[in-house]
Amino acid sequence: QKEVEQDPGPLSVPEGAIVSLNCTYSNSAFQYFMWYRQYSRKGPELLMYTYSSGNKEDGRFTAQVDKSSKYISLFIRDSQPSDSATYLCAMRPGTSYDKVIFGPGTSLSVIP
Amino acid sequence: GAVVSQHPSWVICKSGTSVKIECRSLDFQATTMFWYRQFPKQSLMLMATSNEGSKATYEQGVEKDKFLINHASLTLSTLTVTSAHPEDSSFYICSVTRFYPVGSYEQYFGPGTRLTVT
Repeated sequence: QKEVEQDPGPLSVPEGAIVSLNCTYSNSAFQYFMWYRQYSRKGPELLMYTYSSGNKEDGRFTAQVDKSSKYISLFIRDSQPSDSATYLCAMRPGTSYDKVIFGPGTSLSVIP
Repeated sequence: GAVVSQHPSWVICKSGTSVKIECRSLDFQATTMFWYRQFPKQSLMLMATSNEGSKATYEQGVEKDKFLINHASLTLSTLTVTSAHPEDSSFYICSVTRFYPVGSYEQYFGPGTRLTVT
């Protein structure tokens, strides 16, 4: 079993839809959870950063962490064509020197 | 603005030659930088951790003599692909870490360098 699992998609939605992206993980030591957006041929861009369980909202984006289920989600409201990208979840344990483990990424297309 | 820059953004080289990729931290001094490799439609694969003033730490399966890493200053790390072969063609991405007093850190990625070996 991989440490971090993510449905690779591709996921295609109409403009304005609510998008739900998810990751599951197996290591209960993970404390920090991130979502990155990566456009084609570009480096990943940090979108959301959460610590432990709970929700965090930033504009149209909401990140949820459920540590009891080892499940994290990213919701995108009122999706736009410019949201079309690959979304990578990432996580790491609590110390400063732990390596970040990335999911394989979900490819999202928002159709105008 | 950008936190991390990489140069070049795209390079084509002939098989057997060496290529150097630069990664610069623009906003803060970075004692630790990471080098990743990404194949098309795949996630990032950590190659090595670059520590300023000391030897890089390579992940299992990564040849340290082939992928030379030099972290010469707190704002610059370089990755040199030596004796490149077509199978080394990939997207190479560096990242810098910003540490916070509470013991956490954030990781920022560069724009990537696309290497094509002919």
